[in-house]
Amino acid sequence: NAGVMQNPRHLVRRRGQEARLRCSPMKGHSHVYWYRQLPEEGLKFMVYLQKENIIDESGMPKERFSAEFPKEGPSILRIQQVVRGDSAAYFCASSGRTSGRANEQFFGPGTRLTVL
Amino acid sequence: RKEVEQDPGPFNVPEGATVAFNCTYSNSASQSFFWYRQDCRKEPKLLMSVYSSGNEDGRFTAQLNRASQYISLLIRDSKLSDSATYLCVVASGGSYIPTFGRGTSLIVHP
Repeated sequence: NAGVMQNPRHLVRRRGQEARLRCSPMKGHSHVYWYRQLPEEGLKFMVYLQKENIIDESGMPKERFSAEFPKEGPSILRIQQVVRGDSAAYFCASSGRTSGRANEQFFGPGTRLTVL
Repeated sequence: RKEVEQDPGPFNVPEGATVAFNCTYSNSASQSFFWYRQDCRKEPKLLMSVYSSGNEDGRFTAQLNRASQYISLLIRDSKLSDSATYLCVVASGGSYIPTFGRGTSLIVHP
């Protein structure tokens, strides 16, 4: 299955701990997006990355959140010192074409983060 | 005004019915339009792109009205398996960042 992969699928953390979410894009895709979805809410854009570059992080909280997409390996979304309000589903999506505008995105199954 | 607005529903229809959803967008420079489907506690899945001339895929028809700044999704002969939340997605020209609507819930009952 060459789809978008995310792990872990479920993550439980206590307040103050770090959460590390991983995303491997679809084979051949070099564009990765991270979204957050709260219960009964829509998807909120967080960050858009290409290999080794953060292209747009306008949706990312200024503190505690960071993202990377290294030359080798998956993209990582890191949340430091988690708080209860960070509990949500975090989806990663990948896209392959570079036509100069937004293209179809393919989503991973998501990581459901619960902060106790 | 929100960038992308959808009626949250739910739309409750019997099997075999035809149902239509609209989605309005505020940015007249928008160029890319999509419909996604999201099942409960699952990831969004691309249903179809929306082209200027309108497009059809089986029982699903998508249309774009640039003058009134909305896109629509028509589902004919509804199936139980069509029950899901339908997300409208819009991106402005030159932007790689799409904006997702909050979705319209569809419930198809026997």
